[in-house]
Amino acid sequence: QQQVKQSPQSLIVQKGGIPIINCAYENTAFDYFPWYQQFPGKGPALLIAIRPDVSEKKEGRFTISFNKSAKQFSLHIMDSQPGDSATYFCAASISLIQGAQKLVFGQGTRLTINP
Amino acid sequence: EPEVTQTPSHQVTQMGQEVILRCVPISNHLYFYWYRQILGQKVEFLVSFYNNEISEKSEIFDDQFSVERPDGSNFTLKIRSTKLEDSAMYFCASSLTANQPQHFGDGTRLSIL
Repeated sequence: QQQVKQSPQSLIVQKGGIPIINCAYENTAFDYFPWYQQFPGKGPALLIAIRPDVSEKKEGRFTISFNKSAKQFSLHIMDSQPGDSATYFCAASISLIQGAQKLVFGQGTRLTINP
Repeated sequence: EPEVTQTPSHQVTQMGQEVILRCVPISNHLYFYWYRQILGQKVEFLVSFYNNEISEKSEIFDDQFSVERPDGSNFTLKIRSTKLEDSAMYFCASSLTANQPQHFGDGTRLSIL
């Protein structure tokens, strides 16, 4: 029940296209949904995040759409560029004792943007 | 921009040996975490640490694992007797408060021979 399912596993898009990565969860205790971008040899870097009281959040070319009733959320990248080629992880956060947040990650999507 | 730093970047150890992975979280952060990522798999939570004690640990974090904040800046993960299956990338993360985003280091690749 603490799983986050992410799809697709890999995605190839032409430059300028709009890749969409989807995630689904079961546990309604999740209260924070970040997306991380990871380049080879680097740690996950926070890209954008949303809380369940909001249905959409946009930061630059990145948009999260959130559907609370369906327990699904997705990342859209507008006007994608070759530099966006990376692995993207969705995550969901559960509050722990003393308020710490435990992140549960999806499987990751390897995104390739072709020039 | 402040960042989480981890050392070493790559650690090679014989099976059965002890290993200590080191992290320097962002200086004013109060919550500290360890995650691991086996090659090609997702990032998995290991342990959270706040106010000098463990808040929660996963089933992966068995008696062979321990964490410590020995001084005001370092946060360490110790594996007492390493196994082949401990080979993975280990990430340290920190956050300012419980509700603030977690910032990750670039990880330590641990290879057990």
